[in-house]
Amino acid sequence: AQSVTQPDIHITVSEGASLELRCNYSYGATPYLFWYVQSPGQGLQLLLKYFSGDTLVQGIKGFEAEFKRSQSSFNLRKPSVHWSDAAEYFCAVSRKDFNKFYFGSGTKLNVKP
Amino acid sequence: IAGITQAPTSQILAAGRRMTLRCTQDMRHNAMYWYRQDLGLGLRLIHYSNTAGTTGKGEVPDGYSVSRANTDDFPLTLASAVPSQTSVYFCASSAGTSGGETQYFGPGTRLLVL
Repeated sequence: AQSVTQPDIHITVSEGASLELRCNYSYGATPYLFWYVQSPGQGLQLLLKYFSGDTLVQGIKGFEAEFKRSQSSFNLRKPSVHWSDAAEYFCAVSRKDFNKFYFGSGTKLNVKP
Repeated sequence: IAGITQAPTSQILAAGRRMTLRCTQDMRHNAMYWYRQDLGLGLRLIHYSNTAGTTGKGEVPDGYSVSRANTDDFPLTLASAVPSQTSVYFCASSAGTSGGETQYFGPGTRLLVL
């Protein structure tokens, strides 16, 4: 069965510091992987997605993620966090042939001034 | 461009009452989805529709029904609400039905069942 684990429920970083949010997935075949961001009171917005090819993918707002098959991970990174990045971040996985998403439980990011 | 609109924004509902959450998209997307978001559980798929006239069950379909009479609208109905259906409900759509399609989300409906 497909599953997505985000081990960190809450993370607090200082503005300007680097950020890494962890995501591990369990999936039988090559997955399609996504990161979404949810600002307070809003719907989800796509940050980036990985299908194949280069394992380092760039997204919007300066975010990037790296697919590591050997570790079943798809961690999200940003070199320098801004206060406006405070939000909840969701990792999701889907199959190539079926548009059913499985979401992680989310990581809430707080940014200290 | 509105994208996806959901109504109502929030609702307090007495247990046992019937409720329909509305979802409309203006992107002419083929596929639409309903998720519920609960603290610590992320988003879970309730029902989906790959094209007008067809629907399918997701992870947590019990107590919910959907219809897809046309491309734009995908209402979610709670026939007899129970407190465990208290949640935030998100509607989403995607242009296609393959696993790589980006899903676009509405702003959500907050539902409290008492």
